[in-house]
Amino acid sequence: EAGVAQSPRYKIIEKRQSVAFWCNPISGHATLYWYQQILGQGPKLLIQFQNNGVVDDSQLPKDRFSAERLKGVDSTLKIQPAKLEDSAVYLCASSLARSYEQYFGPGTRLTVT
Amino acid sequence: QQPVQSPQAVILREGEDAVINCSSSKALYSVHWYRQKHGEAPVFLMILLKGGEQKGHEKISASFNEKKQQSSLYLTASQLSYSGTYFCGTGEDQSGGSNYKLTFGKGTLLTVNP
Repeated sequence: EAGVAQSPRYKIIEKRQSVAFWCNPISGHATLYWYQQILGQGPKLLIQFQNNGVVDDSQLPKDRFSAERLKGVDSTLKIQPAKLEDSAVYLCASSLARSYEQYFGPGTRLTVT
Repeated sequence: QQPVQSPQAVILREGEDAVINCSSSKALYSVHWYRQKHGEAPVFLMILLKGGEQKGHEKISASFNEKKQQSSLYLTASQLSYSGTYFCGTGEDQSGGSNYKLTFGKGTLLTVNP
């Protein structure tokens, strides 16, 4: 079974630029999560989708971050404009609806200079 | 509210045992344990649901004390492959399982030396 796919794996941008990350969850997983993991910290939930609907985006900085999940499968997370403090690893995870196990992708390491 | 993990770091020799603790100030519905190796994604280890269940996976087991709002992860006869950062995540079931939200602790760095 293929795991959660993410791209790109690494991205370096200057502050005030925009960036987008892509995630393809495990086939059949209805729930998709985006986490931000700052160095030395645990993952922090940014947004959670159930199929193509948002069920929790309370910790998403909506003035600069946006996310969508097209047709309930792939998802993109965008940052515009980026700030220095956005430097982190962005992890995508998925799970079966009504299941509790989350499976993480390899992450995208973002460096903002 | 982020759960608190202790210790922050632990160094073992191969074959030794370790305990990692996770506590929360909020009533817990469940506790999840993940292991993350450097530069890799977190990997699911186990989940414990309220009811004080103790689950095991090979030489790694965990307990969940709902009243004390605590969970402990037990690593027995540690192997080199156990090295990594262990995260606990406390689960909040916001609507019958479909909106399952995890809040992760800061992690415990475990190093197993030969």
